[in-house]
Amino acid sequence: DAGVIQSPRHEVTEMGQEVTLRCKPISGHNSLFWYRQTMMRGLELLIYFNNNVPIDDSGMPEDRFSAKMPNASFSTLKIQPSEPRDSAVYFCASGDTGGSTEAFFGQGTRLTVV
Amino acid sequence: SQQGEEDPQALSIQEGENATMNCSYKTSINNLQWYRQNSGRGLVHLILIRSNEREKHSGRLRVTLDTSKKSSSLLITASRAADTASYFCATTRAGGSYIPTFGRGTSLIVHP
Repeated sequence: DAGVIQSPRHEVTEMGQEVTLRCKPISGHNSLFWYRQTMMRGLELLIYFNNNVPIDDSGMPEDRFSAKMPNASFSTLKIQPSEPRDSAVYFCASGDTGGSTEAFFGQGTRLTVV
Repeated sequence: SQQGEEDPQALSIQEGENATMNCSYKTSINNLQWYRQNSGRGLVHLILIRSNEREKHSGRLRVTLDTSKKSSSLLITASRAADTASYFCATTRAGGSYIPTFGRGTSLIVHP
């Protein structure tokens, strides 16, 4: 398996634009996490899916953020409209809750909103 | 908010020395994990220790867990320049979901 695949790796967008981040988890994993990493706040959980169902979205900052997981092999995180304070590295991770709860991370998407 | 907090925030050592990083957490846990993050990359899982375990080894890594003090330590022996990275602890709460909650990390620099 190629691991967790995120796209794009880098995104630069203007304030007010819609941004969509994509994630392909590891095949067979039943958990998917979206995290955001900044210098100020560290690594924050945004949302957690289990078997494609959102279980915990308490970390989603506000209504501008939304996440979907239409099937076991794909998830998106959308920001609309984007703001400069959304600039961060966004990580997707997947895991198998029937196993060790280890999370496998993608390489991240570095988002810059200007 | 972060469940785990690493200490120190930054550590600078010479190649061959041992590096020790500590993690403190607040609530009862199922397990505690350590991850490494190289600059510009995603986090990579290093080792997991369950709440009923006290010590675990993996290669040059040694992890201890003291649930009475709600703390863990990661020891890297005979460090190498390639060990330069940020190290994070992550906990999953007892009776909770499987969500790993991360601390802010320790930045380790190993000088050749």
